[in-house]
Amino acid sequence: EVHLVESGGGLVKPGGSLRLACAASGFSFDNAWMTWVRQAPGKGLEWVGRIKGNSDGGTTDYAAPVKGRFTISKDDSRNTLYLQMNSLETEDTAVYFCSKYDWNDGEHYYFQSWGQGTLVTVSS
Amino acid sequence: DVQMTQSPSSLSASVGDRVTITCRASRSVSNYLNWYQQKPGKAPELLIYAASILTSGVPSRFSGSGSGTDFSLTISSLQPEDFATYYCQQSFTTPAFGQGTRLEIK
Repeated sequence: EVHLVESGGGLVKPGGSLRLACAASGFSFDNAWMTWVRQAPGKGLEWVGRIKGNSDGGTTDYAAPVKGRFTISKDDSRNTLYLQMNSLETEDTAVYFCSKYDWNDGEHYYFQSWGQGTLVTVSS
Repeated sequence: DVQMTQSPSSLSASVGDRVTITCRASRSVSNYLNWYQQKPGKAPELLIYAASILTSGVPSRFSGSGSGTDFSLTISSLQPEDFATYYCQQSFTTPAFGQGTRLEIK
C-alpha cells in the first residue's frame, strides 16, 4: 500500500525559507514521478511542480508562480521527496500535499495517492 | 498552458438528486481529464480518470463523460457522503486543476 507523509510545515516570515519533506513507502520510489500540490486557505488546488523518476531523467518542472524560488529534489536512499521553498511570499501560504503519478496504459496520468498535507504559513 | 474552468462554482442539492458538474478546457485535452472529490481537512480523492473510467471502489452513481474541451461529472442519486468539493484536472500537459465546485446540502 502506498503511504505518503509530509512534514516540515510551519510559520515563516516573508522572504524566508522552508524545506518540506514527504516520506514515501509501498512502491518503487526511485523510478516514480512525484509531485507537490498546494491549497491556499479556502481556495482550490494548485499544482506546484514535479520530479520525474530516475529512468526518465529525474528532471523537474515547476508552475510559473514558484519557478526560480522552489526546488524539488529527492533522496532515493531515504525514499523521501523534498520541496525547498525560498523567497517565500504571503501568497505561498497553503497546505502542501505530495502525491505520486500513476498511469493508465502508460498515457493517462492521475494522482491516486496523496499525503495528509502540511501547512505553511508565511506571515510577519 | 491549458486552463480549466468549472461550473457552477457552487451547487445546492438534496439527497437523491441527480447533479452534473461541467469542466471546460481552454484548448483540447482529448480525454486526458481526471475528477477528484475533496472533503474539508482531507486530501483529494481520485474518482475518475481518462474522462470516464471509474476508479476502483468508487460507487457507480458517479460517472464522467466528454472529450476535447467539454467534460462533465454526474452523480445519479446524491448520497449524504457526496457533499464535498469536486475538482477536474487535465493531464494532457503539466497538470492544471479547475477552481472547484462546492456541492452543498439544500
